[in-house]
Amino acid sequence: EDQVTQSPEALRLQEGESSSLNCSYTVSGLRGLFWYRQDPGKGPEFLFTLYSAGEEKEKERLKATLTKKESFLHITAPKPEDSATYLCAVQAFGDFGNEKLTFGTGTRLTIIP
Amino acid sequence: DTEVTQTPKHLVMGMTNKKSLKCEQHMGHRAMYWYKQKAKKPPELMFVYSYEKLSINESVPSRFSPECPNSSLLNLHLHALQPEDSALYLCASSQGQFSSYGYTFGSGTRLTVV
Repeated sequence: EDQVTQSPEALRLQEGESSSLNCSYTVSGLRGLFWYRQDPGKGPEFLFTLYSAGEEKEKERLKATLTKKESFLHITAPKPEDSATYLCAVQAFGDFGNEKLTFGTGTRLTIIP
Repeated sequence: DTEVTQTPKHLVMGMTNKKSLKCEQHMGHRAMYWYKQKAKKPPELMFVYSYEKLSINESVPSRFSPECPNSSLLNLHLHALQPEDSALYLCASSQGQFSSYGYTFGSGTRLTVV
């Protein structure tokens, strides 16, 4: 069974204080690893897809990296508007029609002005 | 149009009521999903429709009944719910079996069962 574990559960940073969020995963055959951002009471918003170890993607202050066992979401010089819950999800190779994503429990990030 | 629209945004229903949640997308996506999310928990998959056919049903109680009238619409019919069914119900869509762009989620319906 696919498993995704995110740490820390919650993280409070001062504005401008860079840090990283961790996503450890166990999957039979990784098709893709996804990062989402979720604001309270809203649906998750897609950020990145990573496919293979060594891959990196960037968007504004966020950079996602992938190894064979984990992914990191690096946040550089964060701003208060980056406060949200960040979710990691994996999708494994499977039979046609099996589009299931397995989500981690998320990291609640709070940026203090 | 890159949105998934869910209605209503909020719903309060009694345990004997029948109600429906609606979801619509006009991105040409061929896979649509229902997820349930409790407070401070990750989304949990309920149903997957791929090319308008139910392809995944995650052992959800029969008081939840999905329907996909066409490729743009997805409904979730609710009947005889329990208070523990109170949650945020999220609809999502994607291009197909696997999408590099992930899923596009709606803002959800906040359901309270009293």
